[in-house]
Parts: sequence; structure tokens; C-alpha cells
Amino acid sequence: AQTVTQSQPEMSVQEAETVTLSCTYDTSESDYYLFWYKQPPSRQMILVIRQEAYKQQNATENRFSVNFQKAAKSFSLKISDSQLGDAAMYFCAYQQDNTDKLIFGTGTRLQVFP
Amino acid sequence: NAGVTQTPKFRILKIGQSMTLQCTQDMNHNYMYWYRQDPGMGLKLIYYSVGAGITDKGEVPNGYNVSRSTTEDFPLRLELAAPSQTSVYFCASRFRRNTEAFFGQGTRLTVV
Repeated sequence: AQTVTQSQPEMSVQEAETVTLSCTYDTSESDYYLFWYKQPPSRQMILVIRQEAYKQQNATENRFSVNFQKAAKSFSLKISDSQLGDAAMYFCAYQQDNTDKLIFGTGTRLQVFP
Repeated sequence: NAGVTQTPKFRILKIGQSMTLQCTQDMNHNYMYWYRQDPGMGLKLIYYSVGAGITDKGEVPNGYNVSRSTTEDFPLRLELAAPSQTSVYFCASRFRRNTEAFFGQGTRLTVV
């Protein structure tokens, strides 16, 4: 069974600084998709960024970027110029290409200090 | 533009009672999912559906049942509620595999 591991239960960062959240996954497949979701205190789940495993280039969305290391099965999220509104739970998720399941990690709680 | 709507938002159940968590989406999505979120445990997949009349088990299906008679609705049934089912339940939908999943606001369920 595929698993997704987020080894950092909590992280903190100063406003305007950069922080990296870790995610590793276990799979024997070569085609899959990876996602980062944000869950603010409102509980609403929001897609932050998405990466296709067959793409070498790391995905980027404004201040959010990933470091995708396929051989190491690592998918970290970098948040640049952190803002107070970035404070939330962040979940890494894995989707195997030929299945319909979307599997989530345990989450990392990010605090942003002014 | 409702998206994914879950009802109720909060519920307290007594041990042994039954209830149905409702989930409706208005985006004509084929794929729908039910997750539970326990503190420190992330989201665990309970059941999912890839279209009307088709459902399948996820990671933690025991104690739950689902049905999908229409594209829009995907109710989750709890029979004989147990304290271990105390959790926040999320419904999600997406158009097809590998696309963005849209989530409802969640239902906080407490079993006492």
C-alpha cells in the first residue's frame, strides 16, 4: 500500500522568511501525481500545488514551489516570503496514476510569526 | 457557486445510534470521496466513488456504508456509532482522476 509521510508535525517561520515542509512517499509505481493542500483554521482544504511524476521540472505557484526528487521519493514544499496568512496545516497527498485513491499524509502545522 | 456541501456541520451521537452524513456537489464531478480527519493522523480515506452506482472501500471503511445513486450525492452512513468514530468528516469531489479535489467544510461528529 502506498504511504505518505510528513515527519514534521509542526514548523514555524518568521514573516518574510522561507520555510520548507518535508514529504516522503512510498511507491513502486513510476506514474503518479503529488499534491500539497493547505487547511487554514476555517477547515477548508485548498490546493496549493500539483506535480506530475513524469515531469522533471519542479512545479511553482507564485511563492510556493516544490523540490521533487523522484529517486529519493521526496516532495518538499518551499514557501518563500512567508505571510501571516500562510499559517495553516499543510498536507501532502499522493495519487497513483492508474488508481482512483488520493492518499494524504498526517500534516504539518505551520506557524508564522510577525 | 456552492461547490461541495456537507450537512450537518456538527452532530453529537450516542453510542449505538445511526446517522447519515450528506454530501452534495454541483460541479458534475464523477469522483467523490469521504475522509475522516483525526488529530495528528491526517486524512484517512473511508470510501470513494467514480460514478453513480460505483463505490469502493478506502483505507478505513469498517463501520461505514455509502451509496451513489446520483452524480450529485454521496451520503455516508454510520450504523451503530462508536466513540472511535468521533472525528471530522470531509467529503471531496473532482472531475476526473489526477485533477484538483474540492472539499466540503467538514462535519464534526462526536459519539458519546
